Amino acid sequence: KAGVTQTPRYLIKTRGQQVTLSCSPISGHRSVSWYQQTPGQGLQFLFEYFSETQRNKGNFPGRFSGRQFSNSRSEMNVSTLELGDSALYLCASSTGTDTDTQYFGPGTRLTVL
Amino acid sequence: DQQVKQNSPSLSVQEGRISILNCDYTNSMFDYFLWYKKYPAEGPTFLISISSIKDKNEDGRFTVFLNKSAKHLSLHIVPSQPGDSAVYFCAASGGFYGQNFVFGPGTRLSVLP
Repeated sequence: KAGVTQTPRYLIKTRGQQVTLSCSPISGHRSVSWYQQTPGQGLQFLFEYFSETQRNKGNFPGRFSGRQFSNSRSEMNVSTLELGDSALYLCASSTGTDTDTQYFGPGTRLTVL
Repeated sequence: DQQVKQNSPSLSVQEGRISILNCDYTNSMFDYFLWYKKYPAEGPTFLISISSIKDKNEDGRFTVFLNKSAKHLSLHIVPSQPGDSAVYFCAASGGFYGQNFVFGPGTRLSVLP
C-alpha cells in the first residue's frame, strides 16, 4: 500500500508570494490533517479535512487555507507569505475516526526569503 | 499556552539501558494519547498509543504509562538501541469530533553505542 505523498518536497518563495502544497493520502483514507513544524514548537495543527469538508481547525490566521477533493487529495494554500511561515509542512492521513492513527507524509520544506 | 509539554528537549542514554521520555498535559478533556518517532527528513511514524481507560500499554520494547491524576505519561524503551535515536513526539486528543491531535514540542533521544 503506498504511503502518504507530499509535493513538492522543497520550496523557496519570497515574502508576499503565495504557495500551494499538495498531499495524497493513503488509499481508502478520507481524513487529511495538516501540521506546521518549526524548531522548538513541535507540530502545530492547522486543519483537518474529511470528505471534502473542513472538520477541525487550529489557531492559524486566515492566510492559511485548504481544501480536499473528491478523491481525498488535499491542498494547502498560504497567501501573502511571511518570513515566519518558513517551516516543514506535514500532512497526515487516516480513516477519520476520532482515535485512528495518523500516517504522516515526508513533509514539504518551505523557505520564505 | 502549551497543552502538551515535553520538558526535556534532549536525552542521552547508553545502548542497552532504559530510555524514559516524559510528557505532561493540561487539558483534562484529553483521553487518547500517542507517541510518534521522527527521523530527519521523514514524517513522524506512529509508535504506540494509550486510551484513558488504561494505565499501561506495551508493544515489544516500547511501553507507555499513563497517570491520569497527574496528567502525565511516559514512554519507556527497553533495551535502547542506536536505531532508536530520533525525535519523539507525544500527542493527545479528546473533547473533539474528528481528528485534532495536540503535539508536544518533542524530545531528541540519542542512544550511544
